[in-house]
Amino acid sequence: AQSVSQHNHHVILSEAASLELGCNYSYGGTVNLFWYVQYPGQHLQLLLKYFSGDPLVKGIKGFEAEFIKSKFSFNLRKPSVQWSDTAEYFCAVNGGSNYQLIWGAGTKLIIKP
Amino acid sequence: DVKVTQSSRYLVKRTGEKVFLECVQDMDHENMFWYRQDPGLGLRLIYFSYDVKMKEKGDIPEGYSVSREKKERFSLILESASTNQTSMYLCASSLPQGPVGNQPQHFGDGTRLSIL
Repeated sequence: AQSVSQHNHHVILSEAASLELGCNYSYGGTVNLFWYVQYPGQHLQLLLKYFSGDPLVKGIKGFEAEFIKSKFSFNLRKPSVQWSDTAEYFCAVNGGSNYQLIWGAGTKLIIKP
Repeated sequence: DVKVTQSSRYLVKRTGEKVFLECVQDMDHENMFWYRQDPGLGLRLIYFSYDVKMKEKGDIPEGYSVSREKKERFSLILESASTNQTSMYLCASSLPQGPVGNQPQHFGDGTRLSIL
């Protein structure tokens, strides 16, 4: 069965620190990959997605993610975080299904001002 | 901008009650989804629908049913609510799968349901 693993459940950083959130998936075929973000009290929204092409994907608010097929990874990065990046981040993968996304457990990111 | 509206932000019900959660989307999306979100477990798919009157079970359908009589509306029904169904429920919608893959899902604000 497909699965998605997010390595850290909680991450605490100071403003201006660099961020990398890990996401690994288990599926050997073609995948579509997503990162979603949920700010406190708000709905889940798409941060970025990868379908094909350039494995380095840029999203909103300065986030980017790199798809490394050989490592089954899709890690999220931001060079310098802000207090407003405090949120929960979810990685999701679709592979082999027309509809269903497989979700990671989420990473709660807290940025100290 | 896509708008997915869930009927209630907070709901408190009693064990054994029949509970209805409503979701409406305004972008003519074919696909609609119901998830529950629990700390440390991420999102788990309960049911999804790819067309009016069509539904498919997700990973955790037990104790739930759904109804999609109109394209814009997807209802989640707890047939006889139990305390282990206390959770955050999220509705989402999306366009059908395109030539390059799945379309992003658009989410509502969620309904925090407590079963006493």
